[in-house]
Amino acid sequence: GESVGLHLPTLSVQEGDNSIINCAYSNSASDYFIWYKQESGKGPQFIIDIRSNMDKRQGQRVTVLLNKTVKHLSLQIAATQPGDSAVYFCAESYTDKLIFGTGTRLQVFP
Amino acid sequence: DTAVSQTPKYLVTQMGNDKSIKCEQNLGHDTMYWYKQDSKKFLKIMFSYNNKELIINETVPNRFSPKSPDKAHLNLHINSLELGDSAVYFCASSLGTGSNQPQHFGDGTRLSIL
Repeated sequence: GESVGLHLPTLSVQEGDNSIINCAYSNSASDYFIWYKQESGKGPQFIIDIRSNMDKRQGQRVTVLLNKTVKHLSLQIAATQPGDSAVYFCAESYTDKLIFGTGTRLQVFP
Repeated sequence: DTAVSQTPKYLVTQMGNDKSIKCEQNLGHDTMYWYKQDSKKFLKIMFSYNNKELIINETVPNRFSPKSPDKAHLNLHINSLELGDSAVYFCASSLGTGSNQPQHFGDGTRLSIL
Protein backbone atom coordinates (compact mmCIF):
# COMPACT_ATOMS: atom_id res chain seq x y z
CA GLY A 1 0.00 0.00 0.00
CA GLU A 2 0.94 3.69 -0.16
CA SER A 3 2.59 5.39 2.76
CA VAL A 4 3.54 8.94 3.43
CA GLY A 5 6.94 9.35 4.93
CA LEU A 6 10.33 10.68 4.11
CA HIS A 7 10.72 8.18 1.31
CA LEU A 8 8.39 7.48 -1.56
CA PRO A 9 7.20 3.92 -2.18
CA THR A 10 9.64 2.47 -4.67
CA LEU A 11 9.20 -0.12 -7.38
CA SER A 12 12.40 -1.65 -8.74
CA VAL A 13 12.21 -3.54 -12.02
CA GLN A 14 14.66 -5.01 -14.44
CA GLU A 15 14.95 -3.47 -17.87
CA GLY A 16 12.61 -5.26 -20.27
CA ASP A 17 10.19 -6.42 -17.59
CA ASN A 18 6.68 -5.08 -17.22
CA SER A 19 5.92 -2.61 -14.42
CA ILE A 20 2.66 -2.17 -12.55
CA ILE A 21 2.15 0.92 -10.42
CA ASN A 22 -0.92 1.04 -8.22
CA CYS A 23 -2.93 3.87 -6.80
CA ALA A 24 -5.93 4.09 -4.48
CA TYR A 25 -8.07 7.16 -4.98
CA SER A 26 -10.32 8.88 -2.49
CA ASN A 27 -13.61 9.99 -3.97
CA SER A 28 -16.29 7.76 -5.46
CA ALA A 29 -17.62 10.75 -7.43
CA SER A 30 -14.31 11.35 -9.24
CA ASP A 31 -14.95 11.03 -12.94
CA TYR A 32 -11.59 11.48 -14.61
CA PHE A 33 -8.15 10.12 -13.80
CA ILE A 34 -4.67 10.89 -15.05
CA TRP A 35 -1.24 9.36 -14.70
CA TYR A 36 1.74 11.69 -14.64
CA LYS A 37 5.48 11.00 -14.84
CA GLN A 38 7.87 13.32 -13.06
CA GLU A 39 11.58 13.16 -13.79
CA SER A 40 14.13 14.81 -11.55
CA GLY A 41 14.12 18.59 -11.92
CA LYS A 42 11.08 18.55 -14.20
CA GLY A 43 7.37 19.09 -13.90
CA PRO A 44 4.79 16.31 -14.05
CA GLN A 45 4.34 15.07 -17.60
CA PHE A 46 1.00 13.71 -18.82
CA ILE A 47 1.13 9.99 -19.70
CA ILE A 48 -2.41 8.75 -20.10
CA ASP A 49 -5.91 9.49 -18.85
CA ILE A 50 -9.16 7.58 -18.42
CA ARG A 51 -12.74 8.60 -17.82
CA SER A 52 -14.94 6.90 -15.29
CA ASN A 53 -17.13 5.29 -17.96
CA MET A 54 -14.18 3.13 -19.02
CA ASP A 55 -12.23 0.46 -17.19
CA LYS A 56 -9.21 0.18 -19.47
CA ARG A 57 -7.31 2.41 -21.84
CA GLN A 58 -4.15 1.69 -23.79
CA GLY A 59 -1.44 3.95 -25.06
CA GLN A 60 1.99 3.32 -26.43
CA ARG A 61 3.56 0.79 -24.02
CA VAL A 62 1.22 1.95 -21.25
CA THR A 63 -2.16 0.72 -20.07
CA VAL A 64 -4.35 2.24 -17.38
CA LEU A 65 -6.89 0.11 -15.54
CA LEU A 66 -9.70 1.56 -13.46
CA ASN A 67 -11.65 -0.38 -10.85
CA LYS A 68 -14.35 1.92 -9.51
CA THR A 69 -15.71 -0.70 -7.14
CA VAL A 70 -12.60 -0.58 -4.99
CA LYS A 71 -11.44 2.91 -6.10
CA HIS A 72 -8.24 1.59 -7.59
CA LEU A 73 -6.19 2.72 -10.54
CA SER A 74 -3.12 1.06 -12.03
CA LEU A 75 -0.56 1.94 -14.64
CA GLN A 76 1.11 -0.86 -16.56
CA ILE A 77 4.29 -0.15 -18.48
CA ALA A 78 5.36 -2.81 -20.96
CA ALA A 79 9.03 -3.57 -21.60
CA THR A 80 10.26 -1.05 -19.05
CA GLN A 81 13.24 1.02 -20.18
CA PRO A 82 15.83 3.04 -18.26
CA GLY A 83 14.12 6.20 -19.50
CA ASP A 84 11.00 5.18 -17.60
CA SER A 85 12.78 5.80 -14.29
CA ALA A 86 10.87 8.60 -12.58
CA VAL A 87 8.21 9.29 -9.96
CA TYR A 88 4.71 8.40 -11.12
CA PHE A 89 1.59 10.10 -9.80
CA CYS A 90 -2.03 9.24 -10.21
CA ALA A 91 -4.51 12.12 -10.04
CA GLU A 92 -8.28 12.13 -9.69
CA SER A 93 -10.48 14.95 -10.89
CA TYR A 94 -13.00 15.93 -8.25
CA THR A 95 -15.03 19.15 -8.12
CA ASP A 96 -12.92 20.64 -10.91
CA LYS A 97 -9.69 20.03 -9.01
CA LEU A 98 -6.95 17.48 -9.57
CA ILE A 99 -6.09 15.62 -6.40
CA PHE A 100 -2.73 13.91 -6.60
CA GLY A 101 -1.68 10.67 -4.97
CA THR A 102 1.54 10.40 -3.01
CA GLY A 103 3.63 9.09 -5.89
CA THR A 104 5.67 5.96 -6.59
CA ARG A 105 9.31 5.98 -7.59
CA LEU A 106 10.11 3.58 -10.44
CA GLN A 107 13.71 2.44 -10.63
CA VAL A 108 14.85 0.47 -13.65
CA PHE A 109 18.05 -1.54 -13.37
CA PRO A 110 19.94 -3.29 -16.18
CA ASP B 1 9.01 25.33 -27.89
CA THR B 2 8.21 25.44 -24.20
CA ALA B 3 4.47 25.12 -23.56
CA VAL B 4 4.34 26.24 -19.91
CA SER B 5 7.34 28.26 -18.80
CA GLN B 6 8.16 29.55 -15.33
CA THR B 7 10.77 31.99 -14.15
CA PRO B 8 12.95 31.84 -12.23
CA LYS B 9 13.88 28.17 -12.04
CA TYR B 10 15.63 28.68 -8.71
CA LEU B 11 14.94 31.31 -6.08
CA VAL B 12 16.99 31.61 -2.90
CA THR B 13 16.02 34.37 -0.50
CA GLN B 14 15.82 35.30 3.15
CA MET B 15 12.89 35.03 5.49
CA GLY B 16 10.71 38.10 5.46
CA ASN B 17 11.41 39.07 1.87
CA ASP B 18 8.80 39.46 -0.88
CA LYS B 19 9.26 37.59 -4.15
CA SER B 20 7.39 36.84 -7.39
CA ILE B 21 7.30 33.87 -9.73
CA LYS B 22 6.09 34.27 -13.29
CA CYS B 23 4.31 31.79 -15.54
CA GLU B 24 3.36 31.91 -19.18
CA GLN B 25 1.68 29.34 -21.41
CA ASN B 26 1.58 29.33 -25.19
CA LEU B 27 -0.97 26.54 -25.54
CA GLY B 28 -3.98 28.81 -25.91
CA HIS B 29 -5.46 27.38 -22.70
CA ASP B 30 -8.10 29.21 -20.70
CA THR B 31 -7.23 27.95 -17.25
CA MET B 32 -4.02 28.22 -15.26
CA TYR B 33 -2.99 26.86 -11.89
CA TRP B 34 -0.39 27.11 -9.17
CA TYR B 35 0.67 24.00 -7.25
CA LYS B 36 3.05 23.52 -4.34
CA GLN B 37 5.20 20.37 -4.08
CA ASP B 38 6.78 19.72 -0.70
CA SER B 39 9.91 17.79 0.21
CA LYS B 40 7.91 14.54 0.28
CA LYS B 41 6.87 15.13 -3.35
CA PHE B 42 3.28 15.78 -2.31
CA LEU B 43 1.64 17.98 -4.94
CA LYS B 44 -1.25 20.21 -3.90
CA ILE B 45 -3.22 22.82 -5.76
CA MET B 46 -3.08 26.40 -4.49
CA PHE B 47 -4.97 28.51 -7.03
CA SER B 48 -6.79 28.26 -10.32
CA TYR B 49 -7.68 31.05 -12.75
CA ASN B 50 -9.98 30.88 -15.75
CA ASN B 51 -9.80 33.75 -18.23
CA LYS B 52 -8.16 35.97 -15.60
CA GLU B 53 -10.75 35.16 -12.92
CA LEU B 54 -9.97 33.31 -9.70
CA ILE B 55 -11.95 30.08 -9.47
CA ILE B 56 -10.07 28.01 -6.89
CA ASN B 57 -8.33 29.26 -3.76
CA GLU B 58 -7.32 26.38 -1.52
CA THR B 59 -7.15 28.22 1.81
CA VAL B 60 -3.68 29.47 1.02
CA PRO B 61 -2.36 32.16 3.39
CA ASN B 62 -3.12 35.64 2.09
CA ARG B 63 0.63 36.28 1.88
CA PHE B 64 0.26 34.50 -1.45
CA SER B 65 -1.38 36.62 -4.13
CA PRO B 66 -1.82 35.34 -7.67
CA LYS B 67 -2.28 37.79 -10.51
CA SER B 68 -3.41 37.05 -14.05
CA PRO B 69 -2.88 39.99 -16.43
CA ASP B 70 -4.24 37.90 -19.31
CA LYS B 71 -5.22 34.30 -19.84
CA ALA B 72 -1.71 33.33 -20.97
CA HIS B 73 -0.03 34.54 -17.78
CA LEU B 74 -0.42 33.72 -14.11
CA ASN B 75 2.08 35.17 -11.68
CA LEU B 76 2.47 34.39 -7.99
CA HIS B 77 3.58 37.00 -5.50
CA ILE B 78 4.57 35.97 -2.00
CA ASN B 79 4.93 38.47 0.85
CA SER B 80 6.87 38.03 4.08
CA LEU B 81 8.39 34.70 3.12
CA GLU B 82 8.57 32.05 5.84
CA LEU B 83 10.75 28.97 6.21
CA GLY B 84 7.72 26.75 5.50
CA ASP B 85 7.34 28.32 2.08
CA SER B 86 10.40 26.42 0.89
CA ALA B 87 9.11 24.06 -1.82
CA VAL B 88 8.89 23.64 -5.56
CA TYR B 89 6.07 25.68 -7.10
CA PHE B 90 4.55 24.46 -10.34
CA CYS B 91 2.43 26.35 -12.81
CA ALA B 92 0.03 24.39 -15.02
CA SER B 93 -2.60 25.09 -17.64
CA SER B 94 -5.56 23.31 -19.19
CA LEU B 95 -8.17 23.87 -21.84
CA GLY B 96 -11.25 25.00 -19.98
CA THR B 97 -12.21 24.37 -16.39
CA GLY B 98 -13.94 21.10 -16.96
CA SER B 99 -12.85 18.18 -14.89
CA ASN B 100 -12.03 16.08 -17.95
CA GLN B 101 -9.05 18.07 -19.13
CA PRO B 102 -5.41 17.12 -18.61
CA GLN B 103 -3.24 19.78 -17.07
CA HIS B 104 0.15 20.61 -18.55
CA PHE B 105 2.89 21.58 -16.11
CA GLY B 106 5.91 23.81 -16.22
CA ASP B 107 9.26 22.63 -14.87
CA GLY B 108 8.83 24.34 -11.51
CA THR B 109 10.45 27.04 -9.44
CA ARG B 110 12.48 25.78 -6.50
CA LEU B 111 12.12 28.29 -3.68
CA SER B 112 14.58 28.07 -0.79
CA ILE B 113 14.18 30.30 2.25
CA LEU B 114 17.26 30.92 4.35
